[in-house]
Amino acid sequence: EAQVTQNPRYLITVTGKKLTVTCSQNMNHEYMSWYRQDPGLGLRQIYYSMNVEVTDKGDVPEGYKVSRKEKRNFPLILESPSPNQTSLYFCASSLYSQTPRTEAFFGQGTRLTVV
Amino acid sequence: QKEVEQNSGPLSVPEGAIASLNCTYSDRGSQSFFWYRQYSGKSPELIMFIYSNGDKEDGRFTAQLNKASQYVSLLIRDSQPSDSATYLCAAQGYSSASKIIFGSGTRLSIRP
Repeated sequence: EAQVTQNPRYLITVTGKKLTVTCSQNMNHEYMSWYRQDPGLGLRQIYYSMNVEVTDKGDVPEGYKVSRKEKRNFPLILESPSPNQTSLYFCASSLYSQTPRTEAFFGQGTRLTVV
Repeated sequence: QKEVEQNSGPLSVPEGAIASLNCTYSDRGSQSFFWYRQYSGKSPELIMFIYSNGDKEDGRFTAQLNKASQYVSLLIRDSQPSDSATYLCAAQGYSSASKIIFGSGTRLSIRP
């Protein structure tokens, strides 16, 4: 089954404690991205990757890091989480090379609370 | 800043009626347009995509695209309570550097 898998689904952590949210896709998609979703603000892109070892900042990258060492995985790293990073996070992937562009497939979401 | 604008709602529609959701976009280079449905706390799921001017129908859903007016809409016929959700409009350009831009969503409520 084609899917994007995020883990964990729920996470409560304390300020300053490093954490990683994993994302994996099995569709051989080149393009992967991370979004955060906050009430009234919609989906805001954090980082994206167009292929292995190619990453770039989205609209709200501050406080986040990513890596893309393998095509299927795109982890999101919070080196020193702060309460303003409390949010619902989504990983998404899509087939980059096809035009017109096809849709993005989303993971199940990770609800992060930083206290 | 390239933007996709939607009315946040809530849009309240009686069961069985037609729900009409609208979206405008600022980037004239946008080529692909998507409508996602998102239930509270869940991930967005694709309902419709449209690339060409005009209408595209799929079951109870019709997407409409007018590139001259930079306007995309989604019509839901015979609205059901299960259609109550937030609907996200998204646009993506043709160039290799483009990315998907999402609107903030319209909350739709179908009242029995």
